[in-house]
Amino acid sequence: EDKVVQSPLSLVVHEGDTVTLNCSYEVTNFRSLLWYKQEKKAPTFLFMLTSSGIEKKSGRLSSILDKKELFSILNITATQTGDSAVYLCAYNSNYQLIWGAGTKLIIKP
Amino acid sequence: DAGVIQSPRHEVTEMGQEVTLRCKPISGHNSLFWYRQTMMRGLELLIYFNNNVPIDDSGMPEDRFSAKMPNASFSTLKIQPSEPRDSAVYFCASKTSGNSDEQFFGPGTRLTVL
Repeated sequence: EDKVVQSPLSLVVHEGDTVTLNCSYEVTNFRSLLWYKQEKKAPTFLFMLTSSGIEKKSGRLSSILDKKELFSILNITATQTGDSAVYLCAYNSNYQLIWGAGTKLIIKP
Repeated sequence: DAGVIQSPRHEVTEMGQEVTLRCKPISGHNSLFWYRQTMMRGLELLIYFNNNVPIDDSGMPEDRFSAKMPNASFSTLKIQPSEPRDSAVYFCASKTSGNSDEQFFGPGTRLTVL
């Protein structure tokens, strides 16, 4: 059965710290892996990854995919309180996204 | 540009009542998804439409749930009769048929069944 596992489930750090969130997957028909950020509302898109080893970057956030080892990481450097959210990863198999449970990130001032 | 529009944003109803949730996808998007999100089960896909046709409804919990997409700009998710365990946030999302797999989410409907 296809599945996505995220770790850690929750993480508390102080402002300015760097965090790494993990997403591993077991799939039968991989197409892409996506990262979303969810605050107290709908998930908002961060990155879509399709190729191994190519880093996607947006400001202090970056992500990379390893298709051989079947995982992806999301890095956030110089964290700010506004980064507090649940970070979801999902892989795309054909038409639908299979979602992980998310990592709840709390940034303390 | 308007994003995905959902209504109502909040719904409180009593067990046994019929509930109808509405969604207007982004114009030009030809795929529409209904999700349910709870603390216990996370984000679950309920049903997926492509070009207004239901492609996969295997995530619909039971016969009490039904969804329609009469045209490219409107979809409904109906629960009849509702039960307390249906309480959740229901999201509608849409995407294009292009190379991007990004789904654009609506603000969600928070449903509480008493």
